[in-house]
Amino acid sequence: AQSVTQLGSHVSVSEGALVLLRCNYSSSVPPYLFWYVQYPNQGLQLLLKYTSAATLVKGINGFEAEFKKSETSFHLTKPSAHMSDAAEYFCAVMITGANNLFFGTGTRLTVIP
Amino acid sequence: GAGVSQSPSNKVTEKGKDVELRCDPISGHTALYWYRQRLGQGLEFLIYFQGNSAPDKSGLPSDRFSAERTGESVSTLTIQRTQQEDSAVYLCASSPMAGVPTDTQYFGPGTRLTVL
Repeated sequence: AQSVTQLGSHVSVSEGALVLLRCNYSSSVPPYLFWYVQYPNQGLQLLLKYTSAATLVKGINGFEAEFKKSETSFHLTKPSAHMSDAAEYFCAVMITGANNLFFGTGTRLTVIP
Repeated sequence: GAGVSQSPSNKVTEKGKDVELRCDPISGHTALYWYRQRLGQGLEFLIYFQGNSAPDKSGLPSDRFSAERTGESVSTLTIQRTQQEDSAVYLCASSPMAGVPTDTQYFGPGTRLTVL
């Protein structure tokens, strides 16, 4: 079975500081991993995805994530937080042969001016 | 082009009533998904459609939930005899084809259902 754990339901950072949102997965087969962002009153938008190519994945808005098989992690980072990054972030996994995404419970990011 | 649209954006209903939620996928997308997002929880998969194949209903929580899709167009999610625990945001997504990880799932804005 597959699952996703996001450590920290709420994360606060100062504007300009490093953003680090944690995601660990559990899967018996090599997974595909995704980060989605949900801005207030909007639908989910794909930030980036890992589909077994390069382990360091760059996404939109300056975000990136690194797939680390040994740590079963796919943490999301951004060097410098911007006020517009305030949103809820979801990590998700899909396994080969499945058709749906399994989501974590989300992390709400607050950026302090 | 147009994204995934859902209607209504908000629905308030009384316990025991039936509700229908609508999803218009992106034109040309053969795969369509319904997810549920309850307060403080991640998204739960409900059902997916792939073209004219039989839908995967494995995520539907009870027989009060059903969904239909005609071809590769609009889908409706119906909840019969609504209960308070059905209160959630119902999200629809579409992708060019199901089960292809390189195909992004595009999400609609959701329908917020409140059961009083």
